[in-house]
Amino acid sequence: GEDVEQSLFLSVREGDSSVINCTYTDSSSTYLYWYKQEPGAGLQLLTYIFSNMDMKQDQRLTVLLNKKDKHLSLRIADTQTGDSAIYFCAESSDYKLSFGAGTTVTVRA
Amino acid sequence: KAGVTQTPRYLIKTRGQQVTLSCSPISGHRSVSWYQQTPGQGLQFLFEYFSETQRNKGNFPGRFSGRQFSNSRSEMNVSTLELGDSALYLCASSLVGTPGGGTDTQYFGPGTRLTVL
Repeated sequence: GEDVEQSLFLSVREGDSSVINCTYTDSSSTYLYWYKQEPGAGLQLLTYIFSNMDMKQDQRLTVLLNKKDKHLSLRIADTQTGDSAIYFCAESSDYKLSFGAGTTVTVRA
Repeated sequence: KAGVTQTPRYLIKTRGQQVTLSCSPISGHRSVSWYQQTPGQGLQFLFEYFSETQRNKGNFPGRFSGRQFSNSRSEMNVSTLELGDSALYLCASSLVGTPGGGTDTQYFGPGTRLTVL
């Protein structure tokens, strides 16, 4: 079965980098995702990475994947107040997404 | 292109009642999935439909059911509501839905907030 774990909270100063970590257990997952949820809103897809990649960069976002340790991270460069949200990592199998509990990122001035 | 729409956005029901939630996928998307989000359990998969067929179902009691119509719109129904059914119900759509995900990513609607009193 699938089990995705994340740390629950992260506080970061505006302008610094944020790093959100995630571990997963389903080694058959071929794609891993990061979603963002702002208050009162649904989930917004931020980025995804194919399991045969080690890194993917998309503007301020960098995803690192360590398949051996089943560890996924999301780095947000130059964190802004608009980045305050809950971030979910997810793995996909059998037509469904399995999510972590979400990391609440708070950006302080 | 319009995103995933869900109606209603907010709903208040009492225990024992039933409720029907509606989801219209992005135009051209044929796969629709439903998720329940609660503070205690997080995001949990309910079911996925493609071409009016349920391809996968999560670990929820039979009170939770769904269906998909020929135009890809989907509804989910919860009968005999319990207090614990209070949650944000999210619908997501993708082009065809692939077992392992991939570039055919899921796009989420804003959700329906259900409160059971």
